Amino acid sequence: AQSVTQLDSQVPVFEEAPVELRCNYSSSVSVYLFWYVQYPNQGLQLLLKYLSGSTLVKGINGFEAEFNKSQTSFHLRKPSVHISDTAEYFCAVSDDSDYKLSFGAGTTVTVRA
Amino acid sequence: DSGVTQTPKHLITATGQRVTLRCSPRSGDLSVYWYQQSLDQGLQFLIQYYNGEERAKGNILERFSAQQFPDLHSELNLSSLELGDSALYFCASSVGDGGYGYTFGSGTRLTVV
Repeated sequence: AQSVTQLDSQVPVFEEAPVELRCNYSSSVSVYLFWYVQYPNQGLQLLLKYLSGSTLVKGINGFEAEFNKSQTSFHLRKPSVHISDTAEYFCAVSDDSDYKLSFGAGTTVTVRA
Repeated sequence: DSGVTQTPKHLITATGQRVTLRCSPRSGDLSVYWYQQSLDQGLQFLIQYYNGEERAKGNILERFSAQQFPDLHSELNLSSLELGDSALYFCASSVGDGGYGYTFGSGTRLTVV
C-alpha cells in the first residue's frame, strides 16, 4: 500500500500571500493523487486530482498542484490566499494495485489578516 | 451537499454501549468506505464495501462491524464502546473501486462518555 507524508503540520500565512503545502508519496508504477480540504466541522471536499496527463493540475478555489514523478511529490499551491482558505488540507494517494485511498496526516492552514 | 448522507450527525453515548452509524452513498455509487478521524490517529481507513460485498479491510477493531444493504446504504456498528472510540466517522462513496477519488459525507461525531 502507498504511504503519504505531508511535510508541514501547520502553515500560518497572511491574507493575499502565496501558500505551498508539501506532499510526498511512496513510489509505485502508477499513482493517483488527490488533495482534499476539510473546513471546520465539515467533511472532506475534493480540491483536485491527478490521474494521468498534464503534470500541472488545476482545482477549485484557485488551487493547483504539480505532479513530480522523479521527486515523488504532489505539492499544492495557491498564489493568493483568503481568510476563507483556513482549513485542514489532506493529500491522498492510490495506485493500480490498491485503489483504496491512503491519506497523509494533514496540514492545517491558518490565514490571518 | 456532496450527495453522501450520514446520520446521525452527533451521537453521545456511554462506555460499553453499542451504536449504529448510517450512510447513504451518492446516487449511482456502488462502493462505500468508512473512515475514522481522530486527533492522534488522523484519517484511518476502516472498511470498504462494493455492491453489497466486503472489498477491503483496514484498521477495523473486532468490536466494529459493517454491512452494505441491497439498496446500497451502509451501516457501521460499534459495540462495547470505549472512551478511545470517540472520533469523527466518515463515510465516502465512489462509482467503482475508488481509483478516481471518493465523495465524502459530512461525518458522524461520536462522543463516548
